[in-house]
Amino acid sequence: AQSVTQLDSHVSVSEGTPVLLRCNYSSSYSPSLFWYVQHPNKGLQLLLKYTSAATLVKGINGFEAEFKKSETSFHLTKPSAHMSDAAEYFCVVSAPGKTIFGAGTRLFVKA
Amino acid sequence: DARVTQTPRHKVTEMGQEVTMRCQPILGHNTVFWYRQTMMQGLELLAYFRNRAPLDDSGMPKDRFSAEMPDATLATLKIQPSEPRDSAVYFCASGLNMAGELFFGEGSRLTVL
Repeated sequence: AQSVTQLDSHVSVSEGTPVLLRCNYSSSYSPSLFWYVQHPNKGLQLLLKYTSAATLVKGINGFEAEFKKSETSFHLTKPSAHMSDAAEYFCVVSAPGKTIFGAGTRLFVKA
Repeated sequence: DARVTQTPRHKVTEMGQEVTMRCQPILGHNTVFWYRQTMMQGLELLAYFRNRAPLDDSGMPKDRFSAEMPDATLATLKIQPSEPRDSAVYFCASGLNMAGELFFGEGSRLTVL
């Protein structure tokens, strides 16, 4: 069975400060893990993906995520938030035949 | 620039009317998904196809919703009759396999009055 939990429904940071969006997963298989971003009135766009290669994955717009099997986590980070990062972020776990989306974390960035 | 195309982008209709949403997946993608997004429920998987065959439509209300892929370039989601609770944004996504990256369309925002 697979599941994904995004630990925060909302995160608020100031521009220029680090971003941490937390995601825990469970999977009976070796999963593929993804982070997607959704800007207002837009579709979801892939930020980055982990598919059993390097555990530290770099994505677009300065985001990265680290796969930690022992903690079953795949947290998303960015060293310095920008106003344009304000959006909703979805953690996704995928294995053959099943793709599960987290509930989403809305990121607010204050000037 | 390959992208998933959805039409219409916006639809306002009255309760009881039929609604058809269309999706053109990225050429060469063999998996197509329909999702519904609302504030209350978040993203819900309605149905998905592989090689045009429906694999799972358990997330769809069977009495009023139907999803088809008449050919590899077109997926449709139909609601008949529509109800106010169907108001949502409906997303189509396509991919190369079941466990890989998904490419989402911009969504069809449906309002049922």
